[in-house]
Order: sequence, then C-alpha cells, then structure tokens
Amino acid sequence: SQQGEEDPQALSIQEGENATMNCSYKTSINNLQWYRQNSGRGLVHLILIRSNEREKHSGRLRVTLDTSKKSSSLLITASRAADTASYFCATDLLNTDKLIFGTGTRLQVFP
Amino acid sequence: DTEVTQTPKHLVMGMTNKKSLKCEQHMGHRAMYWYKQKAKKPPELMFVYSYEKLSINESVPSRFSPECPNSSLLNLHLHALQPEDSALYLCASSPRELAKNIQYFGAGTRLSVL
Repeated sequence: SQQGEEDPQALSIQEGENATMNCSYKTSINNLQWYRQNSGRGLVHLILIRSNEREKHSGRLRVTLDTSKKSSSLLITASRAADTASYFCATDLLNTDKLIFGTGTRLQVFP
Repeated sequence: DTEVTQTPKHLVMGMTNKKSLKCEQHMGHRAMYWYKQKAKKPPELMFVYSYEKLSINESVPSRFSPECPNSSLLNLHLHALQPEDSALYLCASSPRELAKNIQYFGAGTRLSVL
C-alpha cells in the first residue's frame, strides 16, 4: 500500500511565486527524499532529509520534516517555468530496502 | 557519468510477442531496480537486484522476467503481456541496495500493449 500522500494533487502558480507541497506518511522512516519528474520522463533526485533533521536547503529548495506529525514539505522559492513538473516524496520503510513514492503533486508554473 | 540509459524509448507489442527492455549504468552501482508507472500515478517497485542477485520481487506476474547479466546491465523480458501492462517502465540504480541511498533513474521505456 502507498506510504505517502501528497497535497495538493495539482498546483498552478505564476513565475516568481513560491510553491509549497506537502507529504504525509504512515510509518517510521530512516529518511525522506524528494524527486522531480518532467512529463513522461525519469525521476531526478532533488534532496534527502534524514529522520534526525528538521530542515534542509538546496538552492531554491527548502525541505522540512516533522517526524512527530509524519509529514514533510517542499518549498520552491521564486519559481520558474522550468520548474513545471510532478514532484514526489519518497520514504524508506524501517527494516526494509524499499523506497515508496507518494502520490505526487503536479506543479504548473506560468510565465 | 551519472547516467542510466534505457532502451528502447518506446515499444509497441502485441499480446503474443516477446520483447525485452534494457537498462545500463556505468556508475559502479550495485543495486538496480525496475519500476512500473501508470499515467498520473507514482512509480511502483517491481524488482530489486543487489550485487546481481534478485533480492525483491513485488509479486510481479511471471510474464515479466528480470535478468541481471552483469553489474552494469539489467533486462526485463516481456512475454504474453496484457493491455493493462501498458505503462512507463523505469530503471534506476543506487550505490547499494539500501533505500536510504539516492536512486538514479533512466528516462524510461513507454510500453504499449495492443
């Protein structure tokens, strides 16, 4: 069964605005990752946050993790049209070697 | 080289055909994965190979047969598929078979079963 639920399912914004997407998961994890997928293409790793970390930054990306609420958020600041893609959170389940992807958020950034 | 190469990019096959998908990486990764992805859905894990041995089979039907000839190559042999098997098939690799490792994905093979 799916580990992660993301919201919103879809998000449309203008260039320059910030985009925030959220991920909730069900069981304890070692870490949480975010991936981007351009339409019909492979996934690209964006950022990894460990279970003992609360916040991490990479360029225009900011990820937070709240293990008590079993949730994470991805913030993309000053969005660009090139950020248009689907974004997936992915969690590894404790004591397994599986990476489970969330339902995804489809982001559309209009020029 | 941080690339995972999948061939072919597109494949159309009939239900009685036999075909194979190929995946190659030269990053020295020892774990390789097959995922299936339907439109507007997340990737679903099918198989995991670790050090060229099958370590996880997510109860995939036998009409899908994986093979890892060496540490750089991963194949997925297809036989007697059904139309509902039409999907994007993604290959990925990671340094070791640990989910905490970052996975590197290929661009995928878009499969249509007629």
